[in-house]
Amino acid sequence: AQSVTQLGSHVSVSEGALVLLRCNYSSSVPPYLFWYVQYPNQGLQLLLKYTSAATLVKGINGFEAEFKKSETSFHLTKPSAHMSDAAEYFCAVVTGANNLFFGTGTRLTVIP
Amino acid sequence: EAQVTQNPRYLITVTGKKLTVTCSQNMNHEYMSWYRQDPGLGLRQIYYSMNVEVTDKGDVPEGYKVSRKEKRNFPLILESPSPNQTSLYFCASSLFSTGGDNEQFFGPGTRLTVL
Repeated sequence: AQSVTQLGSHVSVSEGALVLLRCNYSSSVPPYLFWYVQYPNQGLQLLLKYTSAATLVKGINGFEAEFKKSETSFHLTKPSAHMSDAAEYFCAVVTGANNLFFGTGTRLTVIP
Repeated sequence: EAQVTQNPRYLITVTGKKLTVTCSQNMNHEYMSWYRQDPGLGLRQIYYSMNVEVTDKGDVPEGYKVSRKEKRNFPLILESPSPNQTSLYFCASSLFSTGGDNEQFFGPGTRLTVL
């Protein structure tokens, strides 16, 4: 069965520093993978998705993620953190027609 | 504006008192789903629906019911709520595809407390 694991429930970075949020997947078939972001007191919104077209995927707000089959990873990065990036980030994998399995989330804190 | 709405946003109730959380979308999406979010556990799927009158269990369906009588609405019903159903609930919708690569759009959430 398809699943994802997010390493690190909390990540803190300084403003302007690199953001790296980790996600590893387990899948017996080529996966479709997503990153969603949840700002305080809001629902989730899509950051980016991988659907096998290109291994480097660019999303909104300067985020990108690289699909690495050899490492079964789909880590999320942003070169320079901004205060507005403080949120919880969820990695997810498609498990069946339209269904998603979500990771446990990583809360990002940006230190001024 | 394209959106998923949920009501109520906040609810405090007592054990055993039946409640319904409504979910409505205005994007003509076939697929709708309910999740619960708990600290350290991420989002877990409760029920989903691929179209009108088609519903199926997710990973944590015990204690919940759903119905899909109209395409736009997907209410979540707790017939006899218990304290372990205290959680943050999200409804989501998307266009249906067999590949599952469509973005899911989420409602703002319903924070439920069962005393």
